[in-house]
Amino acid sequence: EDKVVQSPLSLVVHEGDTVTLNCSYEVTNFRSLLWYKQEKKAPTFLFMLTSSGIEKKSGRLSSILDKKELFSILNITATQTGDSAVYLCAVEIGSWGKLQFGAGTQVVVTP
Amino acid sequence: ETGVTQTPRHLVMGMTNKKSLKCEQHLGHNAMYWYKQSAKKPLELMFVYNFKEQTENNSVPSRFSPECPNSSHLFLHLHTLQPEDSALYLCASSQDEGDTEAFFGQGTRLTVV
Repeated sequence: EDKVVQSPLSLVVHEGDTVTLNCSYEVTNFRSLLWYKQEKKAPTFLFMLTSSGIEKKSGRLSSILDKKELFSILNITATQTGDSAVYLCAVEIGSWGKLQFGAGTQVVVTP
Repeated sequence: ETGVTQTPRHLVMGMTNKKSLKCEQHLGHNAMYWYKQSAKKPLELMFVYNFKEQTENNSVPSRFSPECPNSSHLFLHLHTLQPEDSALYLCASSQDEGDTEAFFGQGTRLTVV
């Protein structure tokens, strides 16, 4: 059975702190790992990772994949209140973009 | 704006009603998906369509009936739902191969009373 596990389930930080979110997976036919940010409704795409050890960056967010140890981390530096959201990790399985999602990590950034 | 549009945005229906959710994508994608997000649960894949053919039904009860008349449109027909079916229903699409990101609609917030 395909499994994607995120940790922690939730955390509260102060503005300016750095946050590290974890995603581990056990799936057959791994294709890629994706991170999404979900505020209120639809998830918005953050990163897609396919290769081990190559960091992807977008502003204060960065992510890296370890295909040997089967996990990924998402880092957010200098957090702002607008970073408050649920961060979803998903693993793409097979050829047609089927995504297996983790339960998400709820991040709350307080002023 | 992700290029995936869902209507309606909110829906309240009784357990004896029949309603439909609509999803439309303008991205030229070949694969479309229905997901369900319940409170405090991971996002659940319900159905996958590829080139209008259903390729996956993730053990979804028959009171949910998908329809994909063409690669741009996806419907979810609802009948005799239960209160526990209240959730956010998300539609997504992705290119077949080469572009593997999934683009999501804003979702339909469904409440069954």
